[in-house]
Amino acid sequence: SAVISQKPSRDICQRGTSLTIQCQVDSQVTMMFWYRQQPGQSLTLIATANQGSEATYESGFVIDKFPISRPNLTFSTLTVSNMSPEDSSIYLCSVAGGLNEKLFFGSGTQLSVL
Amino acid sequence: AQKVTQAQTEISVVEKEDVTLDCVYETRDTTYYLFWYKQPPSGELVFLIRRNSFDEQNEISGRYSWNFQKSTSSFNFTITASQVVDSAVYFCALNTGRRALTFGSGTRLQVQP
Repeated sequence: SAVISQKPSRDICQRGTSLTIQCQVDSQVTMMFWYRQQPGQSLTLIATANQGSEATYESGFVIDKFPISRPNLTFSTLTVSNMSPEDSSIYLCSVAGGLNEKLFFGSGTQLSVL
Repeated sequence: AQKVTQAQTEISVVEKEDVTLDCVYETRDTTYYLFWYKQPPSGELVFLIRRNSFDEQNEISGRYSWNFQKSTSSFNFTITASQVVDSAVYFCALNTGRRALTFGSGTRLQVQP
């Protein structure tokens, strides 16, 4: 199993600012994933954070808006840049227990943009 | 492309009733994995089950059971004798080897006392 610490747990931000979300895992993992869950909606994959290479973004998500860092095998950050109210969501970090294994999720970051 | 459909947006039952949550998936891969997660009001995602495409055996875990049918591309979840604590959003998800899951839209289950 993996224990994921994600912070901040929630934040209220002003339009046009940026927020960086941190994700720390208690073990080394190859891939980390960032998901977004808009209010009342399902989880949508933003990107896969690979250690030692650039993140792989899903359709509809771009690096300028959601830059991701992955400096080592236990840590990643997701930045939500130039925020607008449409970015108000829960952002979740997750890691795979192994190939095709279940995903472990952090507790999420509840972001509200005014 | 892969897709997961949960046609039931919201279900409301009275305690002790049985309830089935439907999940239909689409994939061209012959090897894939199906999951169910529970998201209670507190927001955390709780893993319930993982099933691979080569194992069509139904599974029972306490009051929970899962029916996997490749012929209809379905992986349905049944809660027997539902309880108020079962109230949550339930997500079905699919993995075809990318390691990231594709989630369905979720079914909100309300169990009334």
